[in-house]
Amino acid sequence: GAGVSQSPSNKVTEKGKDVELRCDPISGHTALYWYRQRLGQGLEFLIYFQGNSAPDKSGLPSDRFSAERTGESVSTLTIQRTQQEDSAVYLCASSFGGMRNEQFFGPGTRLTVL
Amino acid sequence: GENVEQHPSTLSVQEGDSAVIKCTYSDSASNYFPWYKQELGKRPQLIIDIRSNVGEKKDQRIAVTLNKTAKHFSLHITETQPEDSAVYFCAASMDTNAGKSTFGDGTTLTVKP
Repeated sequence: GAGVSQSPSNKVTEKGKDVELRCDPISGHTALYWYRQRLGQGLEFLIYFQGNSAPDKSGLPSDRFSAERTGESVSTLTIQRTQQEDSAVYLCASSFGGMRNEQFFGPGTRLTVL
Repeated sequence: GENVEQHPSTLSVQEGDSAVIKCTYSDSASNYFPWYKQELGKRPQLIIDIRSNVGEKKDQRIAVTLNKTAKHFSLHITETQPEDSAVYFCAASMDTNAGKSTFGDGTTLTVKP
């Protein structure tokens, strides 16, 4: 079956512009995560959605970052007024949650802010 | 919340040697501990996981051990090969619907031929 997909795969934008990144999780996965990974660095947790519960936004680095998820399907991560330090790969992952907590990662969106 | 520490940050071994990566966690309620491998330019993928009802799990050349009392778990790779070179991440979570995974900072493993 289809895995986690993300779009776009690459995004180049100018400083100050807004960007929207999309994640399509695996069907049936109730949990969805967004991570930021700078070059050569680890996985920086951004936000976590689990079913209909309020999302865990504790990892969002500033109020320029926001994310939404429609039910248990698509999620979008929006970065407003992008800065050069936002340049990174943004990874989305989904899982069944509960006893099946393995995360399946998407290919990521490489964001470059000029 | 949960805090996961991973050591070492970098590890270099000769082909054929063993490699060990260690993680500690803070929340005694965590009971699911996966390990992910991320090859250069690719996405992380699960390679092995362990739940708190067992102390060790093996899959060919890789094994994971868990010490719940000490709250640490380790990844063991035997007979390392150049294709084992990658970044390895440990994680901890509760296997409930509310269980959010917390990742370690990663270990860059280099296997020299």
